[in-house]
Amino acid sequence: AQSVTQPDIHITVSEGASLELRCNYSYGATPYLFWYVQSPGQGLQLLLKYFSGDTLVQGIKGFEAEFKRSQSSFNLRKPSVHWSDAAEYFCAVGASGNQFYFGTGTSLTVIP
Amino acid sequence: DGGITQSPKYLFRKEGQNVTLSCEQNLNHDAMYWYRQDPGQGLRLIYYSQIVNDFQKGDIAEGYSVSREKKESFPLTVTSAQKNPTAFYLCASRRRQGVGTDTQYFGPGTRLTVL
Repeated sequence: AQSVTQPDIHITVSEGASLELRCNYSYGATPYLFWYVQSPGQGLQLLLKYFSGDTLVQGIKGFEAEFKRSQSSFNLRKPSVHWSDAAEYFCAVGASGNQFYFGTGTSLTVIP
Repeated sequence: DGGITQSPKYLFRKEGQNVTLSCEQNLNHDAMYWYRQDPGQGLRLIYYSQIVNDFQKGDIAEGYSVSREKKESFPLTVTSAQKNPTAFYLCASRRRQGVGTDTQYFGPGTRLTVL
């Protein structure tokens, strides 16, 4: 069965520090992978997506993610975090069937 | 501007009342979805629709109903049978169903509180 795991429920980083949010997936075929961000009380905004090709993908707001098939991972990174990056982050797998499968999210706190 | 609108943003209802949440999209997307979001549980799929006049149950459909009479509209009714309806509800759409590469786009959400 398809599933997405985000092992970190909550992460706190200092402004200007680097960030890595972990995502592991379980999917039998080629995964289509997405990262979304959600500000409090808002909908989800797409940060980036991976379908094929270069395993390092660039997204909006300075984020990037790397697909590692051998580790079934799609970790999100940012070299220098800004206070405005504080939000909830969701990893998702877009299966070829009917559903998207979402992780439970990682809440990011940025301290000055 | 193209996008997904949900109304109202906040909704309060008394226990035992049915309530309908609105979702409209002008993206010309075929597929539409309703998710429920609770703290620490991520997004759970309630219903989805691939085309007009067709919809399927998701993982937590009990106590909910939907209709898809128009391509751009996918309202969700939370019935009195839903035991714990207080939650944040998100509507999403996707250009085509069954295509893994198609991105889901989300509306701003409706927070339902049952008193």
